[in-house]
Amino acid sequence: DIVMTQTPLSLSVTPGQPASISCKSSQSLLHSSGRTLLFWYLQKPGQSPQLLISEVSKRFSGVPDRFSGSGSGTDFTLRISRVEAEDVGVYYCMQTIKLPLTFAGGTKVEIK
Amino acid sequence: QLVESGGGLVQPGGSLRLSCAASGFTFSSYWMQWVRQAPGKGLVWVSLINTDGSRTDYADSVKGRFTISRDNAKNTLYLQINTLRAEDTALYYCVRDRGWSTFDMWGQGTMVTVSS
Repeated sequence: DIVMTQTPLSLSVTPGQPASISCKSSQSLLHSSGRTLLFWYLQKPGQSPQLLISEVSKRFSGVPDRFSGSGSGTDFTLRISRVEAEDVGVYYCMQTIKLPLTFAGGTKVEIK
Repeated sequence: QLVESGGGLVQPGGSLRLSCAASGFTFSSYWMQWVRQAPGKGLVWVSLINTDGSRTDYADSVKGRFTISRDNAKNTLYLQINTLRAEDTALYYCVRDRGWSTFDMWGQGTMVTVSS
């Protein structure tokens, strides 16, 4: 199975400040199609997860542009340029290149 | 939207059938999947099914005990869960896959609790 590892486990951020989450996979997520199958989800408190970013860097519809994703191969990063109160929750990265699909353990983001 | 139902409290070894009613989109055009989340824990992929039900896959932890299926005429996804174990206790989410296992729509989840 592909192991997904996120750091840090938790993050406390002052509103308006940037935040960054790292995600590493145990195997390359570059598919033969040329797509890199790394996704980011946010689970806000008491809610179902929601898609933020697909294929490393494609923001999903309605996702603010303060969210950005980058990376390649096995190393990826989610950045929030200016954290807002509504960004609190647990962020998960996920790989879909190989079954079983696997999520990282998540990063909890809270506001200072 | 996706609305799950069918969860509940069941004894070890018991069975349940979870349902996920889809609306607002052409259900038969999408692969569908199940993801679960144990209380206070992270997300775990469970199973997938293609558009016509001819292809299914499962996490090793549920293989042989869970069966995913769909009824496109009823716009409904199912998960038959048998021989339940305490470690199956979780909130089960139905998710829409828009391609490459991109989960662009999630239900609110249905809770399964396995306890004697």
